[in-house]
Amino acid sequence: ETGVTQSPTHLIKTRGQQVTLRCSSQSGHNTVSWYQQALGQGPQFIFQYYREEENGRGNFPPRFSGLQFPNYSSELNVNALELDDSALYLCASSSGPRGYEQYFGPGTRLTVT
Amino acid sequence: DQQVKQNSPSLSVQEGRISILNCDYTNSMFDYFLWYKKYPAEGPTFLISISSIKDKNEDGRFTVFLNKSAKHLSLHIVPSQPGDSAVYFCAATFGLTHFETGNKLTFGGGTRVLVKP
Repeated sequence: ETGVTQSPTHLIKTRGQQVTLRCSSQSGHNTVSWYQQALGQGPQFIFQYYREEENGRGNFPPRFSGLQFPNYSSELNVNALELDDSALYLCASSSGPRGYEQYFGPGTRLTVT
Repeated sequence: DQQVKQNSPSLSVQEGRISILNCDYTNSMFDYFLWYKKYPAEGPTFLISISSIKDKNEDGRFTVFLNKSAKHLSLHIVPSQPGDSAVYFCAATFGLTHFETGNKLTFGGGTRVLVKP
């Protein structure tokens, strides 16, 4: 069974740029959720995708957007990067939107300078 | 507004003894609770969960207790081992009754556990 994978591992961007982060869900899982973890804090829910549609969103501005593909992999896009966007971005997969146990990938560390 | 709080940022315990991690929540709509463990440079790993219809759930060395009236849950690790040294997060969701909004996990700020040999 393949776990959740994310790419890239690390990324450095400049304020104002755009970034795309990628996630492959665990085999058999059709739901992907994205979280942002700032230093010293717990992860914060960004949004969730189920069957290629957004299925719930946290308190993040519209410049955070996403996609889910037919193979259930997902992308997180962030436009107009700000310094406060520097964080660890975590992807989690589950078997359906009511799959309460979410399984996380290793994360992408984004640094905005 | 922090709906899930872990008031102890760190905990140090001797190997073989019990580790007790605490978590408080404010949203009475939460009906499912989870604990995750996180090592540096890795994503959180699911440990154990409990639904609001129970007050205790055990899995090997890990036991989670839920006190709904106090809006409090705790994780007991017995016996503690050096490999348990990590950051532990509690998380809550109201997925059982609000599935249409997806399974959004609300996390606490974490407790760093150090198990000394």
